[in-house]
Amino acid sequence: DQQVKQNSPSLSVQEGRISILNCDYTNSMFDYFLWYKKYPAEGPTFLISISSIKDKNEDGRFTVFLNKSAKHLSLHIVPSQPGDSAVYFCAAREGDISGYALNFGKGTSLLVTP
Amino acid sequence: GAGVSQSPSNKVTEKGKDVELRCDPISGHTALYWYRQSLGQGLEFLIYFQGNSAPDKSGLPSDRFSAERTGGSVSTLTIQRTQQEDSAVYLCASSLGLAGRETQYFGPGTRLLVL
Repeated sequence: DQQVKQNSPSLSVQEGRISILNCDYTNSMFDYFLWYKKYPAEGPTFLISISSIKDKNEDGRFTVFLNKSAKHLSLHIVPSQPGDSAVYFCAAREGDISGYALNFGKGTSLLVTP
Repeated sequence: GAGVSQSPSNKVTEKGKDVELRCDPISGHTALYWYRQSLGQGLEFLIYFQGNSAPDKSGLPSDRFSAERTGGSVSTLTIQRTQQEDSAVYLCASSLGLAGRETQYFGPGTRLLVL
């Protein structure tokens, strides 16, 4: 049963424009959310996270928005760059204790074209 | 080392054979996780080790899967009597293991193909 859903398998955006990647979740016990980025033949790398007590977290070109009532979060990349082309995974954790397993979505493949 | 390392990077085996996958976590990280990513799927949690505590095996899909962690560092994931549906990328991650929300750092994965 997929508790974290990324319904768009792929997204194509022009360089310089905004990329918006969406994620929905079903488990109301999730209280910490993360985005990972994955290049081919590499492991996922941490990008940005947000706690359920916040609705926005920003780090440079990357901003994550959380709408708890809708159980929805999104990652905004602006401006998008060709190097951002990768697979982006949304992940969620239940609990505020080190060591809880991450629940991942299936990923969205982002292509940023020049 | 600088990051999480895994070996082998690729493994092709015949159905019914046993395989061992190795993970070297980041030095000083006491928490270690195994995930797998099947084709077209997200990462699926398998097992978690924290220090000397009993591992959380709740994600292991069958009793053919087992893992151990020796000396609180290197971990080995063993799959016995492999099946074709075991074909996937097996990813290891580690984190500091302190209280609070932590980033999990992933290795490059082992791509397993069962023929």
